[in-house]
Amino acid sequence: GENVEQHPSTLSVQEGDSAVIKCTYSDSASNYFPWYKQELGKRPQLIIDIRSNVGEKKDQRIAVTLNKTAKHFSLHITETQPEDSAVYFCAAINQAGTALIFGKGTTLSVSS
Amino acid sequence: GAVVSQHPSRVICKSGTSVKIECRSLDFQATTMFWYRQFPKQSLMLMATSNEGSKATYEQGVEKDKFLINHASLTLSTLTVTSAHPEDSSFYICSARSPASSYEQYFGPGTRLTVT
Repeated sequence: GENVEQHPSTLSVQEGDSAVIKCTYSDSASNYFPWYKQELGKRPQLIIDIRSNVGEKKDQRIAVTLNKTAKHFSLHITETQPEDSAVYFCAAINQAGTALIFGKGTTLSVSS
Repeated sequence: GAVVSQHPSRVICKSGTSVKIECRSLDFQATTMFWYRQFPKQSLMLMATSNEGSKATYEQGVEKDKFLINHASLTLSTLTVTSAHPEDSSFYICSARSPASSYEQYFGPGTRLTVT
């Protein structure tokens, strides 16, 4: 089945710096790649997603890039702010094309 | 937007008892819902896919007789943890697929289960 690897597990940056989180997936048939932000004890919130027919997508300070050949996708956050501190999960759709398979998560800490 | 609720938000039960968790899509119909389990500081692990009107599809390693899933209507799926043990203590989160998208999912707020 689908396997999603995520790096790094923790990331500390200064306010205003950029943060990059990378994920790889195993199933070449996967075609949907969302990123979620989860604060402690709360539900995951979708922050951006990308489909396989697009190489890059941007929404204000957040962008996602996808390399289907290499089977990896990345989350880029620019001008980080303390409120960006949270756990970020990447995901890919599973082989059946139904459920999301999540990476292990990245704890992002933005210090002011 | 699509809203998913869960009830209860927290539950404490004694070892050996059963607990039912409800997942509702409030403003849309969801033919498919998903159940995840999340241990502290870990990722969301898919437990099962819940299909309205049919049997749930369980992931490898998830005991279907222990985690009973019922998706009796287009807006409600339930997860019953039977004969709960302390190792079942976890954060259980459901999600429902958006009616407007083939893939986008909306998550419930989660249920914190503590088995004593």
